Amino acid sequence: AQSVTQLDSQVPVFEEAPVELRCNYSSSVSVYLFWYVQYPNQGLQLLLKYLSGSTLVESINGFEAEFNKSQTSFHLRKPSVHISDTAEYFCAVSLYSGAGSYQLTFGKGTKLSVIP
Amino acid sequence: GAVVSQHPSRVICKSGTSVKIECRSLDFQATTMFWYRQFPKKSLMLMATSNEGSKATYEQGVEKDKFLINHASLTLSTLTVTSAHPEDSSFYICSATPGVLNTEAFFGQGTRLTVV
Repeated sequence: AQSVTQLDSQVPVFEEAPVELRCNYSSSVSVYLFWYVQYPNQGLQLLLKYLSGSTLVESINGFEAEFNKSQTSFHLRKPSVHISDTAEYFCAVSLYSGAGSYQLTFGKGTKLSVIP
Repeated sequence: GAVVSQHPSRVICKSGTSVKIECRSLDFQATTMFWYRQFPKKSLMLMATSNEGSKATYEQGVEKDKFLINHASLTLSTLTVTSAHPEDSSFYICSATPGVLNTEAFFGQGTRLTVV
C-alpha cells in the first residue's frame, strides 16, 4: 500500500519570499504524483502532476515540483509567493487500483499562509 | 479542462432525515467516480469508488447502508446520507476520471453538510 507524508501542517511565509512544501511518499511500485490546491469551502484543483519524463514539472502560476525517486519525494516550491497563494495544498499519489481505474491517496495537507 | 459539478454546495438537514448529493461530469463521461469525506484540518478520506452500472466499492470502516452510492449513468453519481446524525456533518467531495486507465481526477466543488 502507498502512503503520503506531508510533514508540515502549516507554513507561514511573507509575501514575495520563497516557499517549499514537503511531500514524501512510500510505495513498492511506480506511482504518479500530484499536487492539488484547495481554497476555503471549495473542491480540489490540480496544480501540477508528474506522470513520466522530466522530473521537474511546473504550473502556470509559478509553482514547480521535482520528483526525486531516490528520496521518494515530490516537494513543491515557489520562488516568490503572493497573497493569493494562501490555501491548503495536498500532495497525492496515484496507483492503479486493479479495477480499470487509478486511486488517489492524499497527504494530510499543508496550509500555506502568506503574510503581507 | 474537464468539469465536475457537485450539488448542493451547502445543505442543512434535521437529524434523522436523508440527504442526497449529486456529482455530475459536465463535459466527459466518467467511468469511475470517487467520494471523499474531509474532516476539519484533516486530509481527504476515500469513502467509496463508484463504477457506472455496478455496485460501489466501499473503503473499510464506511457503512454502505448509511452512505448509499448510485452511479446510474456515465455522467452522474449520487451519494445519499441516510438517517443523518450530527456526526455525519462534514465536507463531502466527489471526483471523476474520464475513461478507463486515466490517471487524472477532476474534483467537484464539495458539499458542506450540517446535521442539526
